[in-house]
Amino acid sequence: KAGVTQTPRYLIKTRGQQVTLSCSPISGHRSVSWYQQTPGQGLQFLFEYFSETQRNKGNFPGRFSGRQFSNSRSEMNVSTLELGDSALYLCASSPPGTTFAGELFFGEGSRLTVL
Amino acid sequence: AQTVTQSQPEMSVQEAETVTLSCTYDTSENNYYLFWYKQPPSRQMILVIRQEAYKQQNATENRFSVNFQKAAKSFSLKISDSQLGDTAMYFCAFISSNTGKLIFGQGTTLQVKP
Repeated sequence: KAGVTQTPRYLIKTRGQQVTLSCSPISGHRSVSWYQQTPGQGLQFLFEYFSETQRNKGNFPGRFSGRQFSNSRSEMNVSTLELGDSALYLCASSPPGTTFAGELFFGEGSRLTVL
Repeated sequence: AQTVTQSQPEMSVQEAETVTLSCTYDTSENNYYLFWYKQPPSRQMILVIRQEAYKQQNATENRFSVNFQKAAKSFSLKISDSQLGDTAMYFCAFISSNTGKLIFGQGTTLQVKP
């Protein structure tokens, strides 16, 4: 069974641009969550989607948004990029019925550098 | 607010020895789960071990075990017979059934030395 796939793996953007990151969960997983990982702030929860609906949201500004499609694939978008948005963005999916038990399967992440 | 604290930014251990990573958390809830995740260098994060708060028995997975002290809100990870492949950053994490948000500690970088 294929794991969680994130694309692109690496990307470089400049301040003010926007970026879209993609995540394909493990087949059969309907919950997808996103995390931002930085050396200073550590791992922070962005949002979680289940069956195309945002179920939970972290404390990030409105520039950070996401969506989920009917095939459970998810995208997150960051608009008007700032230098502080440079981070590793991790996507995780979880099997049905286990979301609150935290059975997360992580992708390798998308490393965003903002210049 | 729910928080997770890992007070040891870095640790090292000799191969085959035992090491304990510390974690404390703060919550007013009763129904929650605690986890240890492992993030090897340049590789994806994987679940090491999980503990349900309502279970008194400490979870064990092969060489990995936890010491769960609910009253003290402490959740330490013991790695026995450390192996070179255990070198990684370890994150303690908490999730409550009310919020559904996984909250991570800052992480502990563990190096296993030959």
